[in-house]
Amino acid sequence: EDQVTQSPEALRLQEGESSSLNCSYTVSGLRGLFWYRQDPGKGPEFLFTLYSAGEEKEKERLKATLTKKESFLHITAPKPEDSATYLCAVQASQGGSEKLVFGKGMKLTVNP
Amino acid sequence: DAGVTQSPTHLIKTRGQHVTLRCSPISGHKSVSWYQQVLGQGPQFIFQYYEKEERGRGNFPDRFSARQFPNYSSELNVNALLLGDSALYLCASSLSALEHTQYFGPGTRLTVL
Repeated sequence: EDQVTQSPEALRLQEGESSSLNCSYTVSGLRGLFWYRQDPGKGPEFLFTLYSAGEEKEKERLKATLTKKESFLHITAPKPEDSATYLCAVQASQGGSEKLVFGKGMKLTVNP
Repeated sequence: DAGVTQSPTHLIKTRGQHVTLRCSPISGHKSVSWYQQVLGQGPQFIFQYYEKEERGRGNFPDRFSARQFPNYSSELNVNALLLGDSALYLCASSLSALEHTQYFGPGTRLTVL
Protein backbone atom coordinates (compact mmCIF):
# COMPACT_ATOMS: atom_id res chain seq x y z
CA GLU A 1 0.00 0.00 0.00
CA ASP A 2 1.24 3.47 -0.89
CA GLN A 3 2.22 5.38 2.22
CA VAL A 4 3.81 8.69 3.20
CA THR A 5 5.22 9.48 6.65
CA GLN A 6 6.34 12.95 7.66
CA SER A 7 8.51 13.83 10.61
CA PRO A 8 8.54 15.65 12.87
CA GLU A 9 4.80 16.35 13.20
CA ALA A 10 5.53 19.82 14.51
CA LEU A 11 8.62 21.99 14.68
CA ARG A 12 9.33 25.29 16.37
CA LEU A 13 12.27 27.34 15.15
CA GLN A 14 13.71 30.71 15.94
CA GLU A 15 14.00 33.12 13.05
CA GLY A 16 17.21 32.32 11.20
CA GLU A 17 17.51 28.80 12.65
CA SER A 18 17.82 26.40 9.70
CA SER A 19 16.36 22.90 9.78
CA SER A 20 15.09 20.03 7.63
CA LEU A 21 11.76 18.24 7.33
CA ASN A 22 11.67 14.56 6.44
CA CYS A 23 9.22 12.69 4.20
CA SER A 24 9.63 8.93 3.84
CA TYR A 25 7.51 7.04 1.36
CA THR A 26 6.61 3.64 0.02
CA VAL A 27 4.97 3.55 -3.39
CA SER A 28 4.82 1.06 -6.21
CA GLY A 29 6.57 3.02 -8.92
CA LEU A 30 7.22 6.63 -7.97
CA ARG A 31 5.76 8.96 -10.59
CA GLY A 32 6.44 12.12 -8.65
CA LEU A 33 6.94 13.50 -5.16
CA PHE A 34 5.34 16.81 -4.27
CA TRP A 35 5.74 19.40 -1.56
CA TYR A 36 2.92 21.77 -0.72
CA ARG A 37 2.55 24.55 1.82
CA GLN A 38 -0.80 25.00 3.54
CA ASP A 39 -1.90 27.95 5.65
CA PRO A 40 -4.74 27.47 8.17
CA GLY A 41 -8.14 27.09 6.51
CA LYS A 42 -6.71 27.38 2.98
CA GLY A 43 -5.92 25.02 0.15
CA PRO A 44 -2.42 23.60 -0.34
CA GLU A 45 -0.05 25.80 -2.32
CA PHE A 46 2.26 23.98 -4.73
CA LEU A 47 5.98 24.25 -3.98
CA PHE A 48 8.00 21.52 -5.75
CA THR A 49 7.80 18.39 -7.86
CA LEU A 50 10.65 15.87 -7.77
CA TYR A 51 10.78 12.91 -10.13
CA SER A 52 14.00 10.98 -9.60
CA ALA A 53 16.57 10.24 -6.90
CA GLY A 54 19.26 12.88 -6.73
CA GLU A 55 17.01 15.66 -7.99
CA GLU A 56 17.02 18.96 -6.11
CA LYS A 57 14.87 22.09 -6.45
CA GLU A 58 15.07 25.46 -4.72
CA LYS A 59 12.74 28.35 -4.11
CA GLU A 60 13.80 31.26 -1.94
CA ARG A 61 14.66 29.78 1.49
CA LEU A 62 13.39 26.29 0.61
CA LYS A 63 15.27 23.43 -0.99
CA ALA A 64 13.79 20.01 -1.69
CA THR A 65 15.84 16.86 -2.29
CA LEU A 66 14.90 13.30 -3.18
CA THR A 67 16.39 9.86 -2.54
CA LYS A 68 14.94 6.45 -3.35
CA LYS A 69 13.13 6.26 -0.02
CA GLU A 70 12.71 9.78 1.28
CA SER A 71 12.65 13.47 0.56
CA PHE A 72 13.89 16.38 2.61
CA LEU A 73 12.66 19.95 2.69
CA HIS A 74 15.50 22.14 3.90
CA ILE A 75 14.60 25.55 5.28
CA THR A 76 17.49 28.00 5.42
CA ALA A 77 17.31 31.03 7.73
CA PRO A 78 13.52 30.84 8.08
CA LYS A 79 11.35 33.87 8.69
CA PRO A 80 8.05 34.09 10.62
CA GLU A 81 6.16 34.16 7.31
CA ASP A 82 7.43 30.62 6.62
CA SER A 83 5.17 29.41 9.41
CA ALA A 84 2.68 26.97 7.87
CA THR A 85 1.93 23.27 7.51
CA TYR A 86 4.12 21.57 4.93
CA LEU A 87 2.61 18.59 3.14
CA CYS A 88 4.46 15.87 1.27
CA ALA A 89 2.65 13.72 -1.29
CA VAL A 90 3.52 10.99 -3.78
CA GLN A 91 1.79 10.37 -7.06
CA ALA A 92 0.32 6.89 -7.23
CA SER A 93 -1.19 5.31 -10.28
CA GLN A 94 -4.62 3.77 -9.73
CA GLY A 95 -6.34 2.23 -12.72
CA GLY A 96 -5.73 5.08 -15.14
CA SER A 97 -5.92 7.90 -12.64
CA GLU A 98 -3.13 9.71 -10.88
CA LYS A 99 -4.05 10.26 -7.25
CA LEU A 100 -1.92 12.02 -4.67
CA VAL A 101 -1.20 10.18 -1.42
CA PHE A 102 -0.43 12.70 1.32
CA GLY A 103 1.36 12.53 4.63
CA LYS A 104 -0.23 14.11 7.70
CA GLY A 105 1.81 17.24 7.32
CA MET A 106 4.38 19.03 9.46
CA LYS A 107 3.38 22.20 11.27
CA LEU A 108 6.24 24.69 11.26
CA THR A 109 6.25 27.68 13.60
CA VAL A 110 8.99 30.28 13.22
CA ASN A 111 9.27 32.69 16.12
CA PRO A 112 10.69 36.20 15.58
CA ASP B 1 -4.76 33.99 -14.57
CA ALA B 2 -7.34 32.80 -12.09
CA GLY B 3 -6.48 29.73 -10.09
CA VAL B 4 -8.85 26.96 -9.08
CA THR B 5 -12.05 28.38 -7.64
CA GLN B 6 -14.50 26.63 -5.33
CA SER B 7 -17.92 27.51 -3.99
CA PRO B 8 -19.28 27.94 -1.47
CA THR B 9 -16.50 28.89 0.94
CA HIS B 10 -18.33 27.61 3.99
CA LEU B 11 -21.39 25.46 4.45
CA ILE B 12 -23.33 24.24 7.46
CA LYS B 13 -25.69 21.29 7.10
CA THR B 14 -27.50 18.89 9.40
CA ARG B 15 -27.24 15.12 9.46
CA GLY B 16 -29.15 13.39 6.68
CA GLN B 17 -29.10 16.36 4.31
CA HIS B 18 -27.25 16.41 1.04
CA VAL B 19 -24.72 18.92 -0.25
CA THR B 20 -23.30 20.00 -3.61
CA LEU B 21 -19.85 21.55 -3.86
CA ARG B 22 -18.59 23.23 -7.01
CA CYS B 23 -15.18 23.66 -8.59
CA SER B 24 -13.83 25.53 -11.60
CA PRO B 25 -10.37 24.43 -12.77
CA ILE B 26 -7.54 26.59 -14.02
CA SER B 27 -8.18 27.65 -17.61
CA GLY B 28 -6.89 24.97 -19.96
CA HIS B 29 -6.87 22.23 -17.33
CA LYS B 30 -9.03 19.26 -18.21
CA SER B 31 -8.65 17.08 -15.11
CA VAL B 32 -10.27 17.71 -11.75
CA SER B 33 -9.68 15.77 -8.55
CA TRP B 34 -11.49 15.98 -5.23
CA TYR B 35 -9.94 15.47 -1.79
CA GLN B 36 -11.28 15.45 1.75
CA GLN B 37 -9.14 16.88 4.53
CA VAL B 38 -10.17 16.42 8.15
CA LEU B 39 -8.52 18.50 10.83
CA GLY B 40 -4.95 17.47 11.54
CA GLN B 41 -4.69 15.09 8.59
CA GLY B 42 -3.45 15.27 5.03
CA PRO B 43 -5.94 15.36 2.15
CA GLN B 44 -7.54 12.04 1.16
CA PHE B 45 -8.33 11.29 -2.49
CA ILE B 46 -12.01 10.99 -3.37
CA PHE B 47 -12.34 11.21 -7.17
CA GLN B 48 -10.55 12.14 -10.35
CA TYR B 49 -12.38 13.21 -13.50
CA TYR B 50 -10.96 13.78 -16.95
CA GLU B 51 -12.91 14.70 -20.04
CA LYS B 52 -16.19 14.16 -18.12
CA GLU B 53 -15.31 10.59 -17.23
CA GLU B 54 -14.43 9.20 -13.81
CA ARG B 55 -10.81 8.06 -13.91
CA GLY B 56 -10.33 7.07 -10.28
CA ARG B 57 -12.14 6.72 -7.00
CA GLY B 58 -10.80 6.60 -3.46
CA ASN B 59 -12.08 4.58 -0.53
CA PHE B 60 -15.28 6.55 0.08
CA PRO B 61 -18.87 5.28 0.33
CA ASP B 62 -21.40 5.53 -2.48
CA ARG B 63 -22.94 8.54 -0.74
CA PHE B 64 -20.17 10.48 -2.46
CA SER B 65 -20.58 11.15 -6.16
CA ALA B 66 -19.23 13.65 -8.64
CA ARG B 67 -19.46 14.73 -12.22
CA GLN B 68 -17.58 16.92 -14.68
CA PHE B 69 -19.20 19.24 -17.17
CA PRO B 70 -18.23 20.07 -20.80
CA ASN B 71 -16.48 23.25 -19.57
CA TYR B 72 -14.40 21.01 -17.23
CA SER B 73 -15.96 22.40 -14.06
CA SER B 74 -17.03 19.80 -11.54
CA GLU B 75 -19.49 19.10 -8.77
CA LEU B 76 -19.07 16.88 -5.72
CA ASN B 77 -22.28 15.58 -4.18
CA VAL B 78 -22.60 14.01 -0.76
CA ASN B 79 -25.90 12.42 0.31
CA ALA B 80 -27.18 11.44 3.76
CA LEU B 81 -24.59 13.56 5.53
CA LEU B 82 -22.93 12.21 8.66
CA LEU B 83 -21.13 14.10 11.39
CA GLY B 84 -17.90 12.53 10.15
CA ASP B 85 -18.29 14.23 6.79
CA SER B 86 -17.31 17.53 8.40
CA ALA B 87 -14.07 18.49 6.67
CA LEU B 88 -12.36 20.80 4.22
CA TYR B 89 -13.18 19.64 0.69
CA LEU B 90 -10.47 20.46 -1.79
CA CYS B 91 -10.58 20.53 -5.54
CA ALA B 92 -7.40 20.26 -7.60
CA SER B 93 -6.89 20.65 -11.32
CA SER B 94 -4.20 19.45 -13.70
CA LEU B 95 -3.65 19.63 -17.43
CA SER B 96 -4.60 16.02 -18.00
CA ALA B 97 -5.32 12.83 -16.10
CA LEU B 98 -1.64 11.87 -16.26
CA GLU B 99 -0.21 15.34 -15.73
CA HIS B 100 1.60 15.13 -12.45
CA THR B 101 1.26 18.55 -10.87
CA GLN B 102 -2.11 19.26 -9.29
CA TYR B 103 -3.04 22.77 -8.22
CA PHE B 104 -5.50 23.20 -5.39
CA GLY B 105 -8.34 25.58 -4.79
CA PRO B 106 -9.08 27.28 -1.46
CA GLY B 107 -11.49 24.55 -0.38
CA THR B 108 -15.03 24.41 0.96
CA ARG B 109 -15.38 24.06 4.72
CA LEU B 110 -18.35 21.74 5.42
CA THR B 111 -19.73 21.49 8.93
CA VAL B 112 -22.36 18.84 9.65
CA LEU B 113 -24.38 19.34 12.84
